[in-house]
Amino acid sequence: GAGVSQSPSNKVTEKGKDVELRCDPISGHTALYWYRQSLGQGLEFLIYFQGNSAPDKSGLPSDRFSAERTGGSVSTLTIQRTQQEDSAVYLCASSLIFEASEQFFGPGTRLTVL
Amino acid sequence: SQQGEEDPQALSIQEGENATMNCSYKTSINNLQWYRQNSGRGLVHLILIRSNEREKHSGRLRVTLDTSKKSSSLLITASRAADTASYFCAKAAGNQFYFGTGTSLTVIP
Repeated sequence: GAGVSQSPSNKVTEKGKDVELRCDPISGHTALYWYRQSLGQGLEFLIYFQGNSAPDKSGLPSDRFSAERTGGSVSTLTIQRTQQEDSAVYLCASSLIFEASEQFFGPGTRLTVL
Repeated sequence: SQQGEEDPQALSIQEGENATMNCSYKTSINNLQWYRQNSGRGLVHLILIRSNEREKHSGRLRVTLDTSKKSSSLLITASRAADTASYFCAKAAGNQFYFGTGTSLTVIP
């Protein structure tokens, strides 16, 4: 695709429900990143994938968060039993390789947990 | 914290003036990147500077890197109102990638 796409663009859910966020990276980019940004704050790193594997999952805020990437392409971030503090914009980015190349960001998914 | 720290946190200048923002970090790097985020919009990559480089230019942007001081600076010359945004430095640490706290730049027309 022309750029990184994310869906949905907005998600409103009730506390306790599960949500799934999707990221479609730029074709050919081996590295895919997930970040979280709360209102007026900087970016919080969550996880990155090199191909289909995530070398380090310690950035995920709690065990309610999980992520996977299949076929070296699309990734999903799943939040189980959502809490109000999960409300934020979830940003996905991709790059040719980890660290040494620029990241291209998607428009984000705005998650609101009521 | 592994995050880089930018300073100042906020900067307000008149159009046409230069803006300088700084980034400090704690661990060694292979490269350091700068990004811009306009209010309510996505992040855009500005410059990547490698650890063996001391200075890099892109249009009105100039980035310097001092690995001995573990610091980098971003200079925007002849600022424009459209430069109003938040600016972040970013770097890898192990298998994680960190963005700094950001400098909020306001350019007054």
